[in-house]
Amino acid sequence: QQQVKQSPQSLIVQKGGISIINCAYENTAFDYFPWYQQFPGKGPALLIAIRPDVSEKKEGRFTISFNKSAKQFSLHIMDSQPGDSATYFCAASGGADGLTFGKGTHLIIQP
Amino acid sequence: DARVTQTPRDKVTEMGQEVTMRCQPILGHNTVFWYRQTMKQGLELLAYFRNRAPLDDSGMPKDRFSAEMPDATLATLKIQPSEPRDSAVYFCASAREETQYFGPGTRLLVL
Repeated sequence: QQQVKQSPQSLIVQKGGISIINCAYENTAFDYFPWYQQFPGKGPALLIAIRPDVSEKKEGRFTISFNKSAKQFSLHIMDSQPGDSATYFCAASGGADGLTFGKGTHLIIQP
Repeated sequence: DARVTQTPRDKVTEMGQEVTMRCQPILGHNTVFWYRQTMKQGLELLAYFRNRAPLDDSGMPKDRFSAEMPDATLATLKIQPSEPRDSAVYFCASAREETQYFGPGTRLLVL
């Protein structure tokens, strides 16, 4: 049972455009929703995270939108740059428990 | 710059051999996680410890995998005997609250 569904699997965006990645979860006990960025040969690195008591969180060019009733959340990357090309994972957990990850989105930003 | 360290970074072994992977969590972090990453399954939680006590190892094949935390600065993941299907990248992550910091991973290839 896949508890966190992520889409799209791959995404190509022009430089300066907006990259949008979506995730949906099933377990209503989840209360922590981070996004991780992973470059080839590296470990995942935390990008931004949100709790369900807010509907949006912004850090620089990265924004998480959260819809608790729909059990969905998304990552928006504004003014996408070639250096943003990486694999992005959404995840969810109940507090400080282990993370359940989505399958990942391979993002390519074309110059 | 505090980081999670993992050794070895790469391991090639033959089927049936024992494999031990080591992780040094960030100083002061009381929770250590083990994850496995494969192309097919993505990132999966294997086990985790809090204050050195095992909290959940339900993601781990019990017959061949074992995880321990002999002291606060060392976590180990052992596979005995190893099988080709164990080939993957194994990540350790540590946390003080809900934010998890990942190590660089151990890339395991079982022939």
